[in-house]
Amino acid sequence: NAGVTQTPKFQVLKTGQSMTLQCAQDMNHNSMYWYRQDPGMGLRLIYYSASEGTTDKGEVPNGYNVSRLNKREFSLRLESAAPSQTSVYFCASSARQIQVAQYFGPGTRLLVL
Amino acid sequence: GESVGLHLPTLSVQEGDNSIINCAYSNSASDYFIWYKQESGKGPQFIIDIRSNMDKRQGQRVTVLLNKTVKHLSLQIAATQPGDSAVYFCAENSKKAGGTSYGKLTFGQGTILTVHP
Repeated sequence: NAGVTQTPKFQVLKTGQSMTLQCAQDMNHNSMYWYRQDPGMGLRLIYYSASEGTTDKGEVPNGYNVSRLNKREFSLRLESAAPSQTSVYFCASSARQIQVAQYFGPGTRLLVL
Repeated sequence: GESVGLHLPTLSVQEGDNSIINCAYSNSASDYFIWYKQESGKGPQFIIDIRSNMDKRQGQRVTVLLNKTVKHLSLQIAATQPGDSAVYFCAENSKKAGGTSYGKLTFGQGTILTVHP
């Protein structure tokens, strides 16, 4: 099992450009999540998908959109990147939404110039 | 313990010592807690979890203690090794006002553990 995989590993964008971060899990998990991590801070939830076909906003959703493509894949899109979106982005998945551990991918490091 | 802001708490220990990392959580309605380890350049790695109906849970070389009275969580690492050097995060799963869980984890800021050989 690869667990949670993310692509790309690293990306540089110019302000205003768009991109999609990809995430896939092979653990047959129902729930998936996108977080961002900024220096010296914990992880903040951007969006989550409790189950296939549903998505919901987290703590910091502005400037992002998500798509739960199928049970395995959950993508995060930046329509018009801003320097404030420079961060490390982590995707996670869990078997169900409540009272279970979330398992994280290796992260995507995004720099917006 | 953990604090808000850019300067993470740090803990330095000698190899072989026991380490205790503390976390104060804010929501008395939280019903599930997790500890994660994050090494440089990697994603958080699950260590151990505990539900609010428990006070203590043990894993391999790790123990989590939960004190709901003072809303405090701690992670104890026995015989700390250099490979344990990382940032450690606690996370809580809060309940909604009606009693059902949000299903969303709220993370603390992290504590940097450095283990000296």
